[in-house]
Amino acid sequence: DQQVKQNSPSLSVQEGRISILNCDYTNSMFDYFLWYKKYPAEGPTFLISISSIKDKNEDGRFTVFLNKSAKHLSLHIVPSQPGDSAVYFCAASDGSGTYKYIFGTGTRLKVLA
Amino acid sequence: NAGVTQTPKFRILKIGQSMTLQCAQDMNHNYMYWYRQDPGMGLKLIYYSVGAGITDKGEVPNGYNVSRSTTEDFPLRLELAAPSQTSVYFCASRSRVYEQYFGPGTRLTVT
Repeated sequence: DQQVKQNSPSLSVQEGRISILNCDYTNSMFDYFLWYKKYPAEGPTFLISISSIKDKNEDGRFTVFLNKSAKHLSLHIVPSQPGDSAVYFCAASDGSGTYKYIFGTGTRLKVLA
Repeated sequence: NAGVTQTPKFRILKIGQSMTLQCAQDMNHNYMYWYRQDPGMGLKLIYYSVGAGITDKGEVPNGYNVSRSTTEDFPLRLELAAPSQTSVYFCASRSRVYEQYFGPGTRLTVT
């Protein structure tokens, strides 16, 4: 049972345009969500996060939106750059003291120059 | 400040062999995690620890063991390696905030 889903395995975007990566979840107890970026042969690196008490969090070119009623979050990258080409994972935690994270399967973003 | 380090980077094991994947962090983080990532899949939690002497199972613990005798180190032991354990293994740590810091990974092949 996949509690965190990223239904788009890949996405191609032109440089300078907006990239939108989507993530759906099924567990209404999740209260904190994170996005990680992963380059080949490296470990994931933290990108941006959002608490369930917010619906938007922004950090430079990266914005995460949370729609709790739809159990959906999205990561917007504007403008997209070739260096953003990587695999992006969303992850969720229920914050109940379990300290565990559930990861999605990832979306491979390719930004075309 | 090296962050999270993992050794070895690559390893090939024969079926039935055992090995220990090493993980160390120098950020004085209490929480440490072991994940595996299979091709085209997300990260699956194997084991985690909330402090020295305290460990617990994640989603896929079978075939693995861990120990946490110090804050810095969190080794993962594979006993009787099987082809199904071929994967990339990531260790991570975090402080009280939610963001995890990952090591570079160990690519393990069991043949």
